[in-house]
Amino acid sequence: DADVTQTPRNRITKTGKRIMLECSQTKGHDRMYWYRQDPGLGLRLIYYSFDVKDINKGEISDGYSVSRQAQAKFSLSLESAIPNQTALYFCATSDRTGNTGELFFGEGSRLTVL
Amino acid sequence: AQSVAQPEDQVNVAEGNPLTVKCTYSVSGNPYLFWYVQYPNRGLQFLLKYITGDNLVKGSYGFEAEFNKSQTSFHLKKPSALVSDSALYFCAVRDRRAAGNKLTFGGGTRVLVKP
Repeated sequence: DADVTQTPRNRITKTGKRIMLECSQTKGHDRMYWYRQDPGLGLRLIYYSFDVKDINKGEISDGYSVSRQAQAKFSLSLESAIPNQTALYFCATSDRTGNTGELFFGEGSRLTVL
Repeated sequence: AQSVAQPEDQVNVAEGNPLTVKCTYSVSGNPYLFWYVQYPNRGLQFLLKYITGDNLVKGSYGFEAEFNKSQTSFHLKKPSALVSDSALYFCAVRDRRAAGNKLTFGGGTRVLVKP
């Protein structure tokens, strides 16, 4: 089983719908992240959380919200989806110790907003 | 602010030939530097990192990268490419002084190794 699991893997929705992407991890890491990937733009950070009570905005948080339900769970919500939120979304985790920044990624959730 | 540039959208190389994927970075302090690889329909996988010490870093699958502070570069290299190395490669940087583990990624370089 994957250490970082994302659901759903693929989702097609319509403009204006609410969407939740879920992430769970078995690595025991404190830190969790949501990135989106767009062709040619690499990965851009949406939100990150260093523990259950800590939520921080990334560089492109507008239109998104997150919830850290437990150490192992971090969900990303689009309250009212729009077509330019069509992208591949990745959840990632990292360990607090060492603090050098290596991230461990899930396999991605492909979201299409029509 | 920190940024990463990968100047090549795609690199084509014949199997058995050397592979180089270029990366330059900008940070206000000293960097931590990373390379990740993404195979089709998969998440990113860590390849190697530069933290401190020897400028030549060796990583997974025979890859290595050289940190060049004066040129602010961290190019990824493999002496003899394999068809299975065909994938999307991302360079990433983090300012050592920045709080947390927020990485900034380059736009990615697609590597195509032809038999």
